[in-house]
Amino acid sequence: DAGVIQSPRHEVTEMGQEVTLRCKPISGHNSLFWYRQTMMRGLELLIYFNNNVPIDDSGMPEDRFSAKMPNASFSTLKIQPSEPRDSAVYFCASSPRTVRNEKLFFGSGTQLSVL
Amino acid sequence: GEDVEQSLFLSVREGDSSVINCTYTDSSSTYLYWYKQEPGAGLQLLTYIFSNMDMKQDQRLTVLLNKKDKHLSLRIADTQTGDSAIYFCAEEEVNTDKLIFGTGTRLQVFP
Repeated sequence: DAGVIQSPRHEVTEMGQEVTLRCKPISGHNSLFWYRQTMMRGLELLIYFNNNVPIDDSGMPEDRFSAKMPNASFSTLKIQPSEPRDSAVYFCASSPRTVRNEKLFFGSGTQLSVL
Repeated sequence: GEDVEQSLFLSVREGDSSVINCTYTDSSSTYLYWYKQEPGAGLQLLTYIFSNMDMKQDQRLTVLLNKKDKHLSLRIADTQTGDSAIYFCAEEEVNTDKLIFGTGTRLQVFP
């Protein structure tokens, strides 16, 4: 298996533009997580899905952020409009859920820079 | 809510042991985890410990758990330059699939 695949690896955009980050979880994994990593706040959980259904989105910073999981093999995180303070590394992770001691498998992340 | 705390930096000489410490708040966490993040990469699970254990050893890694003090540590024996990375402690939020991560400890190994 190729692991969790995220695209793009790097995204540079201007303030006010829409940004869409993509994630393909590991096949067979039931849970999918979106995290954001910054120097100031470390690793923050934004939202997670179980069986394609959003379970907890309490970490989504504001209405500019939205996430979808239309099927078991794809998820998107959208920021509209983007702001400079959204600059961070965004990680997607998936979990088989039934194998607790393996917990999360992370993608390589998307480095987002909003100018 | 849950909070996981770690020191931000640790610098050791190659061949020495490294000890990375972590404190957590949720005494009912079943599992506690250590993840490693290398530059430009996502986090990778290093090891975990079940809450009814005091110690777990896995090759060069030793995890110690003090449930009374809610203190977790990761010891890396014979630290190598390839061990340079950020190490995250994480606790499991009870009854959810969520992991609460610490801020991460950046380990720098110098020759």
